Amino acid sequence: QVQLQESGPGLVKPSETLSLTCTVSGGSISSYYWSWIRQPPGKGLEWIGYIYYSGSTNYNPSLKSRVTMSVDTSKNQFSVELSSVTAADTAVYYCARLTYTGNYQLDFWGQGTLVTVSS
Amino acid sequence: DIQMTQSPSSLSASVGDRVTITCRASQSISSFLNWYQHKPGKAPKLLIHVASRLQSGVPSRFSGSGSGTDFTLTISSLQPEDFATYSCQQSYTTPLTFGQGTKVEIK
Repeated sequence: QVQLQESGPGLVKPSETLSLTCTVSGGSISSYYWSWIRQPPGKGLEWIGYIYYSGSTNYNPSLKSRVTMSVDTSKNQFSVELSSVTAADTAVYYCARLTYTGNYQLDFWGQGTLVTVSS
Repeated sequence: DIQMTQSPSSLSASVGDRVTITCRASQSISSFLNWYQHKPGKAPKLLIHVASRLQSGVPSRFSGSGSGTDFTLTISSLQPEDFATYSCQQSYTTPLTFGQGTKVEIK
């Protein structure tokens, strides 16, 4: 069973960069897409983007100017950086596996990690 | 972006009730629609993909239907472990987008 675990700081100051890593266990990171999703308090889920194990990316245009994703296949990890954060970036951040079989579906998720943007 | 609108935003139901949640897309998405269940502090769970296909391991009391712009998630007999939030997500095009969620609470 594939398992994902997010890690990173729970508190980030405004204007700084949010950095999170997702560690994949129970399966290889190769041959799949890997995604980040967030949920601000009291709001719905927002897709941040995905990275393929080869390194190609697809970001949500609403965040594209501030997002960078990377993958480390040797560690079975992938990461996200979000620059110039504001209070609006406060959210629970999830990592997930994105499987494509003619349809994109997020079939395995991490438990999520709360990131608060505050001075 | 394709906007996904769910209704209701919350509902109260009893164990054994039949529950229906709807999801409407702002444009046709064929059958490219997934449903998820999420609970606080737990990993969200894929329930239904391609509108009506039950994900492996998901109980058969969950079912999905619809195509085009209108979709439905039905729980035929609500169980205690089903009290959660349910979200739809379109996979027709990127950016992938979600509905705002429907919270199913105990009556």
